[in-house]
Amino acid sequence: DIQMTQSPSSLSASVGDRVTITCRASQSISDYLNWYQQKPGKAPKLLIYGASTLQSGVPSRFSGSGSGTDFTLTISSLQPEDFATYYCQQSYSSPFFGPGTTVDI
Amino acid sequence: QVQLQESGPGLVKPSETLSLTCSISGASVTSNTCYWSWIRQPPGKGLEWVGHVYHSGSTNYNPSLTSRVTISLDTSKNQFSLKLNSVTAADTAVYYCARDMYVETVPIGFDYWGQGKLVIVSS
Repeated sequence: DIQMTQSPSSLSASVGDRVTITCRASQSISDYLNWYQQKPGKAPKLLIYGASTLQSGVPSRFSGSGSGTDFTLTISSLQPEDFATYYCQQSYSSPFFGPGTTVDI
Repeated sequence: QVQLQESGPGLVKPSETLSLTCSISGASVTSNTCYWSWIRQPPGKGLEWVGHVYHSGSTNYNPSLTSRVTISLDTSKNQFSLKLNSVTAADTAVYYCARDMYVETVPIGFDYWGQGKLVIVSS
């Protein structure tokens, strides 16, 4: 099974900050990497698929990059509604998730 | 608009079977462009993929759960179901159903989710 790790596990940021979250796969997954945002008490929301393709309706301040084993999610200018937990998930094989990164104030 | 809705008991006794159903509207459980999945999240913890079912009825499960889990389709009701047997307190979680979508064989992720169903395992 392909294992996913994320760093950092949590970070503190302010509105307007540029935020970068890293996800690493235990083996190459090409670009089969998706990112989700989850707010407390809500289901996760798909932000990015295929490592870099923005899901319809997702603001352009979110972007993704990477291939192989190393990936990043970047929020170019953090907005109040972006404080949440972010998960990566690989679609190369059985769809396991990373452990999550919590972005708070 | 695709909508998913989980239903089933919110309290299950240890050693018994957890049973949940996901009702789908706006999409068909017989679609060949997606897998229908269950994902769970213990309180305060991360997301764990439980397994999925394809329109053909073929299934794939998380290796850590495969001996206890069954996911099946009910095409007549446009639903799919989860059964997890021999539950313990460690199975207490919010259980989500979700669509794992493909576009021309390219996976695009879990694009639609149910609201989640909290299931507590306790006597």
